Amino acid sequence: DIQMTQSPSTLSASVGDRVTITCRASQSISSWLAWYQQKPGKAPKLLIYKASSLESGVPSRFSGSGSGTEFTLTISSLQPDDFATYYCQQFRTFGQGTKVEIK
Amino acid sequence: EVQLVESGGGLVQPGRSLRLSCTASGFTFGDYAMSWVRQAPGKGLEWVGFIRSKAYGGTTEYAASVKGRFTISRDDSKSIAYLQMNSLKTEDTAVYYCTRVIAAVDAFDIWGQGTMVTVSS
Repeated sequence: DIQMTQSPSTLSASVGDRVTITCRASQSISSWLAWYQQKPGKAPKLLIYKASSLESGVPSRFSGSGSGTEFTLTISSLQPDDFATYYCQQFRTFGQGTKVEIK
Repeated sequence: EVQLVESGGGLVQPGRSLRLSCTASGFTFGDYAMSWVRQAPGKGLEWVGFIRSKAYGGTTEYAASVKGRFTISRDDSKSIAYLQMNSLKTEDTAVYYCTRVIAAVDAFDIWGQGTMVTVSS
């Protein structure tokens, strides 16, 4: 089974900061990677699919990159609404999540 | 509006069964694969399984943790996906989400609000 490992587990940042979250796959998954945002008590929301494609309606400050085994989610300028937990996914496997907290 | 609404959650004793329903609206349900994802209290997301559309055979796949105990089915005439959960264990306690699968890109673009399942004596 493919394992997905995210880092860091927790990230403290301020509004306006550039934030990067990394996701590593235990074997190559080409570009078959998605990123989700989840706020407390809410369902996850799709942000990025196929590693770098922005889901409709998602702000352009979110971007994804990578292929093979190394992927990143970048928030170019962190906004108050972005404090949440982020998950990467290779269809059957999710990363353990990265919580973005207010510094 | 494209929407998924789960129902059927609740408190159940270990070893018993429960069936969850996911009612879809706003899109042609039969054209899509559907998946279930769960989240134990305070934990991350765990894929449970999925069912392909009839066009792709309507076949199913499951996570190892639920294989043999859980069954996913669909009724395209009613736009409903089901998760039949048998031989429930305390570790199955979680919020269960129904999701729409975008098969071309292996992503889940629509999620329901979730339904809580608590397995406890």
